[in-house]
This record gives sequence, structure tokens and C-alpha cells, in this order.
Amino acid sequence: RKEVEQDPGPFNVPEGATVAFNCTYSNSASQSFFWYRQDCRKEPKLLMSVYSSGNEDGRFTAQLNRASQYISLLIRDSKLSDSATYLCVVNRAAGNKLTFGGGTRVLVKP
Amino acid sequence: DAGITQSPRHKVTETGTPVTLRCHQTENHRYMYWYRQDPGHGLRLIHYSYGVKDTDKGEVSDGYSVSRSKTEDFLLTLESATSSQTSVYFCASQTDSGNTIYFGEGSWLTVV
Repeated sequence: RKEVEQDPGPFNVPEGATVAFNCTYSNSASQSFFWYRQDCRKEPKLLMSVYSSGNEDGRFTAQLNRASQYISLLIRDSKLSDSATYLCVVNRAAGNKLTFGGGTRVLVKP
Repeated sequence: DAGITQSPRHKVTETGTPVTLRCHQTENHRYMYWYRQDPGHGLRLIHYSYGVKDTDKGEVSDGYSVSRSKTEDFLLTLESATSSQTSVYFCASQTDSGNTIYFGEGSWLTVV
């Protein structure tokens, strides 16, 4: 089983709609969680950190469920520019390394 | 964004030749990483570094070596390139708090 797993998608989303997807992690000692965004042929860039209480940044909301060991990302009022691959990132307890999920591809269409 | 650059950005090389990719960061970050990204595998850690001359292996380190003689530079060497090492390679550096990792723009390597 992979340490961090994501549905690869693609999630085809009408412009203006809401889309949500999850990421599961296997190490219960994981301490920090992030969502990164990656555009085609570009480097990943930090979208947002995920806090225990959940957090929101504009149209984006991230949640952490430690009991079920998953994090989620919700995008409201989707824009064409939201089309990208969203990477779930988990900081393992040992060392300071980050482990990446395979990414969820989102395609927002007019 | 953190100042992190990679060179070369694109390279075509022949099987069996050595190749060195360079990563340079200007943020004085202690932690640096080399990943490769391939379809169906996502980002996989090759090697990482906790500081000057302090490196360790990641999950796909076979066929690769690294060196870090200065805080700002982290070199990845393919000792004898193979076609399976055709990939895009991303360098990254991480803040000391561990909260954020910044990526370089990637190096596209083709081994023919």
C-alpha cells in the first residue's frame, strides 16, 4: 500500500461548480499536511497547509480527519484556471521529509 | 517564491554517459531534495540532504549519487545514464521549520 494515496481523476468540473477530493495516508504518526498545485510541465507550488481545525483560503477549503487518516480539498465556484493536478503532501514523523501522493487531476470546463 | 534554480533545464544524453544536474538555492535552506516525476508514479525521492556533506538516500536512489559541498548547491549525478532514467527531475529546498518546500522549475532529461 502506498504511504499517500489519491484518486488520479480526472475530475471533470463545470465552471462555477464545486469539486472535492480526498487523500489518504497510512502513517498515523504523520504530523503535517499540505496541498500543492502542479500545472502541466511546471513545478509543484504550495496551495495551502492543512490544519487540524480545517482552514479556508478564498474558494479553497482543506480539512484533516485524523481518525480516518485522510485530508480533503474542496474548491468552490471553480474557475477555468483551477485546472491542474493537486498533490497531497504528508510530513512523516521521522526526519523532515515530505511524501507526495500521485496527484488528482482536475479539469474545469466552460 | 524561494530562489531555487536548476541547470540544465533540458538535456539529451546517450546511454552509459555520466550526467550531472545542478540545483542552486539562495534561501540558505538546510534541507534540499532531488525528486523524479514519471507518469503513474508521481514524485519520488531520489536523495536528500540535511546540510553540507550530509546526504541520505531516498526511495529510488539506485544509479544516482549526490554531493553538497556548499549550502546553496546540491548536485545530482547519474553515474552511467540508462533509458529508465529518462524523466523530469525536480530539485527542492525546505524551510527549517519544515512548513514549506519550494521547487525548482525542473530538468527534463532524455537518455537515448
